[in-house]
Amino acid sequence: DADVTQTPRNRITKTGKRIMLECSQTKGHDRMYWYRQDPGLGLRLIYYSFDVKDINKGEISDGYSVSRQAQAKFSLSLESAIPNQTALYFCATSDFAARGTDTQYFGPGTRLTVL
Amino acid sequence: TQLLEQSPQFLSIQEGENLTVYCNSSSVFSSLQWYRQEPGEGPVLLVTVVTGGEVKKLKRLTFQFGDARKDSSLHITAAQPGDTGLYLCAGERGNAGKSTFGDGTTLTVKP
Repeated sequence: DADVTQTPRNRITKTGKRIMLECSQTKGHDRMYWYRQDPGLGLRLIYYSFDVKDINKGEISDGYSVSRQAQAKFSLSLESAIPNQTALYFCATSDFAARGTDTQYFGPGTRLTVL
Repeated sequence: TQLLEQSPQFLSIQEGENLTVYCNSSSVFSSLQWYRQEPGEGPVLLVTVVTGGEVKKLKRLTFQFGDARKDSSLHITAAQPGDTGLYLCAGERGNAGKSTFGDGTTLTVKP
């Protein structure tokens, strides 16, 4: 299984601040994803990357940006945080190139609170 | 419109009971995954099914992929409190292979 780490695990910030959430994986998976999870709304896809040169918007990309600095690293930025971005954020990876399925492996999550 | 509909949304049962949760769609999937998520943690993969009609067993959990690859079910026998969590299904369509997640079934098993 992929070893997916996220930093920070918890963050409290104020409206208007720039925030970066980082994700690293050690298994060499080609695909990486960022999701947010809100109570009762399931997982919603923010951005995804199929390889280092490929970045795609998900269903709720407004207010977010990403950077795939290397195959192992995928960071999510909130340029100017707002309270409705308070949520649990998950990074995930998948080894589609090798397995042929999009089975995903999730990090432990970052709980972000915007005051 | 949700591509993957999971039912029921919430389920609360007593320890020892059996249960089935469903994941339905009008679309065909090349593969489907089931995950379990505990509060404050990331989803953890339980199983991947790829062949229509496929049945996989994981201890007390039985997963079935529909013959037409449009739906799936998860059956738990003799549920235990440790089975409590959010059960998510996710399906891939076509060769692009990007998954779509359902909203999940929240299961509570009471001692």
